[in-house]
Amino acid sequence: KAGVTQTPRYLIKTRGQQVTLSCSPISGHRSVSWYQQTPGQGLQFLFEYFSETQRNKGNFPGRFSGRQFSNSRSEMNVSTLELGDSALYLCASSTRQESEQYFGPGTRLTVT
Amino acid sequence: GEDVEQSLFLSVREGDSSVINCTYTDSSSTYLYWYKQEPGAGLQLLTYIFSNMDMKQDQRLTVLLNKKDKHLSLRIADTQTGDSAIYFCAESLYGQNFVFGPGTRLSVLP
Repeated sequence: KAGVTQTPRYLIKTRGQQVTLSCSPISGHRSVSWYQQTPGQGLQFLFEYFSETQRNKGNFPGRFSGRQFSNSRSEMNVSTLELGDSALYLCASSTRQESEQYFGPGTRLTVT
Repeated sequence: GEDVEQSLFLSVREGDSSVINCTYTDSSSTYLYWYKQEPGAGLQLLTYIFSNMDMKQDQRLTVLLNKKDKHLSLRIADTQTGDSAIYFCAESLYGQNFVFGPGTRLSVLP
């Protein structure tokens, strides 16, 4: 079974631009969660989508948004990028009924 | 709110046992996890334990849970250089609302 895939793996953007990251969950997984990982703040929860609905949201500004499609693939969007948005963005999928959450390799975003 | 704490660094000699510790605050947590992250990679689920268990063993990995003290540990027997990574402790409520610790960087010295 293929794992969680994320595209692109690396991205360089400039301040003020917007960016869209994509995540394809493990087949059969309907829950997708997004995390931001930085050296200073560690791993922080952004939001979770299940069956195309946002179920949980972390403490991030409205510039961070997401959506989930009917095939469970998810995208997250960051508008008006700031230098502090430079991070590794990780996506994780699960069935939600089970206890395990599986992570993708992440997208490394650098904002200059 | 919920909080998960870990020591940030641990160094061990190759062949020794490593013990990585974690404390959490949410007594309603139902599952506790250990994830491994190698450089440039995502998090790999190593093992997890249900909160009504005290211990779980999986090959070289042993997880101990002291629910009274809200303390979780991961023991890696016969630590190898390939075990060098960052190890994250995490908790969840029935597989939802995951909270991660800051990670422990394990360095294995030859």
